[in-house]
Amino acid sequence: SQQGEEDPQALSIQEGENATMNCSYKTSINNLQWYRQNSGRGLVHLILIRSNEREKHSGRLRVTLDTSKKSSSLLITASRAADTASYFCAPRGGSNYKLTFGKGTLLTVNP
Amino acid sequence: EPEVTQTPSHQVTQMGQEVILRCVPISNHLYFYWYRQILGQKVEFLVSFYNNEISEKSEIFDDQFSVERPDGSNFTLKIRSTKLEDSAMYFCASSVNLGTGSYEQYFGPGTRLTVT
Repeated sequence: SQQGEEDPQALSIQEGENATMNCSYKTSINNLQWYRQNSGRGLVHLILIRSNEREKHSGRLRVTLDTSKKSSSLLITASRAADTASYFCAPRGGSNYKLTFGKGTLLTVNP
Repeated sequence: EPEVTQTPSHQVTQMGQEVILRCVPISNHLYFYWYRQILGQKVEFLVSFYNNEISEKSEIFDDQFSVERPDGSNFTLKIRSTKLEDSAMYFCASSVNLGTGSYEQYFGPGTRLTVT
């Protein structure tokens, strides 16, 4: 498994605005997953995008993947205060099962 | 919706004592994991478990740690002789092979371990 690097480290926006977070990784992948962690709580799986997909939607979430640039982005549209959390990407390749997390992006949505 | 549960939510123990952290994974899942998060730091992988054996472990998972699936539902992490630096939030996770190699993992709420 390999670690993704999220950018920016912190993002503060107003409720209703869109939030975009980016992820870069270094080697080839089978899929890339995004997780959310509310302060002090467990991680919640948000969305998975496979290496042969370029874009995927789930509710207010939109994920893109550019394997040529080894990068992914997570867009949260019409953000809400409840979206305040840390967001992590987890690129996965090979046969390892483990997830390796970076420092994440801390998103703060102000009411 | 099925979820991973963990007990206790908070465990306080003295240095040198043994602790057992318990997890009940989602019932049809076949892969089980433990992660830990020291306060203010990244979530770190400890161990993965499949078919009643460890499939992968990290450098953190030394001889002081062990995992077990004692029955068909529980998955436990034992720390034999706790150290101060074992104080952390411990997360259990489980996943199922969807046949697509996806392995989305579902995490429990965590057990906060405090070693004094």
